[in-house]
Amino acid sequence: KAGVTQTPRYLIKTRGQQVTLSCSPISGHRSVSWYQQTPGQGLQFLFEYFSETQRNKGNFPGRFSGRQFSNSRSEMNVSTLELGDSALYLCASSRWVADGQFFGPGTRLTVL
Amino acid sequence: AQKVTQAQTEISVVEKEDVTLDCVYETRDTTYYLFWYKQPPSGELVFLIRRNSFDEQNEISGRYSWNFQKSTSSFNFTITASQVVDSAVYFCALRISGTYKYIFGTGTRLKVLA
Repeated sequence: KAGVTQTPRYLIKTRGQQVTLSCSPISGHRSVSWYQQTPGQGLQFLFEYFSETQRNKGNFPGRFSGRQFSNSRSEMNVSTLELGDSALYLCASSRWVADGQFFGPGTRLTVL
Repeated sequence: AQKVTQAQTEISVVEKEDVTLDCVYETRDTTYYLFWYKQPPSGELVFLIRRNSFDEQNEISGRYSWNFQKSTSSFNFTITASQVVDSAVYFCALRISGTYKYIFGTGTRLKVLA
């Protein structure tokens, strides 16, 4: 069974730009979560989608948004990028919302 | 407020030693889930175990064991006879039923020296 895949793996953007990250969950998994990982703040929960509905959201500004498609694939968008958005963005999927999650390799975003 | 504390930032042990990683959580909710994840140097987090708040049974899986104690709000993880491949950052996480928000601890970096 293929694992969680994330594209692209690396991105370099400049301040003010916007970016879209993509995540394909494990087949059969309906829950997709997004996290931001930085050395200073650790692993922080961004939001979770289940069956195309956002179930909950972490404490991030509205510049961070996401969506989930009918095939459970998910995208995350960050608008008006700031230097502090440089991080590893991780996607994780699970069959149900309370299950352990399976993580993808992440997208490393660098904002210059 | 919900919180997960992993007070041990970094631990170094010599191969074959036993090591315990501590995790203390805070929540007023009665239904919640606790998890441990491993992040090896390659970077990809790996799910290790899930426990729900109604199941205080300890669990053993090979060299890994977990001790869940609601009385002390702790969910500790022990590696017996550690190996170099156990070197990684280990995260404890809390998930609240209802909101389903995930709260991760800051992680404990384990270094197992040959």
